Amino acid sequence: NAGVTQTPKFQVLKTGQSMTLQCAQDMNHEYMSWYRQDPGMGLRLIHYSVGAGITDQGEVPNGYNVSRSTTEDFPLRLLSAAPSQTSVYFCASSYSVTSGGAYEQYFGPGTRLTVT
Amino acid sequence: SQKIEQNSEALNIQEGKTATLTCNYTNYSPAYLQWYRQDPGRGPVFLLLIRENEKEKRKERLKVTFDTTLKQSLFHITASQPADSATYLCALQPTGNQFYFGTGTSLTVIP
Repeated sequence: NAGVTQTPKFQVLKTGQSMTLQCAQDMNHEYMSWYRQDPGMGLRLIHYSVGAGITDQGEVPNGYNVSRSTTEDFPLRLLSAAPSQTSVYFCASSYSVTSGGAYEQYFGPGTRLTVT
Repeated sequence: SQKIEQNSEALNIQEGKTATLTCNYTNYSPAYLQWYRQDPGRGPVFLLLIRENEKEKRKERLKVTFDTTLKQSLFHITASQPADSATYLCALQPTGNQFYFGTGTSLTVIP
């Protein structure tokens, strides 16, 4: 299994450009999520999905769109990049380890994005 | 406001000693609490999960405690090794599908 893969590894954008960060998993997990990690802020949830066709907003969704057309893929779209979106982005997939809904998350290697 | 606080400073310990990391939270009612390890330039790796009705969980040299009255979790690594050097993150999961992470504690184990 490849686990969770993310592309690209690095990206530089100019303000106002758009782009899509790709995320794929081969573990048949129902839950997928996107985080951003900034110094001193910890990981913050952007959007998440509990299954194909279902998405919801996390803590910091503004400026980002997601869709989930298949179980495997969960792309994150930046509509009009801003310097405040300079960050490291992590995708995670998970499955419920208990009947009550506890999730064990598997993270991808991250995408380092710089917006100038 | 909601806060998750971990040891604000880096932790340095001698090899073979027990490392203890703290995670304190306010204004959350987590059903589950998790600990992750993160190495530089890599994604976090899941280590342990503990439920709100569990006091303690162990896995090999790792032990986690969870005190919902104190709103605190302690993460212990016994017989620490240089390979344990990393940043450790705690994450809270209230009921539902959202996770909230602390900023992490950097641990260095000195040979």
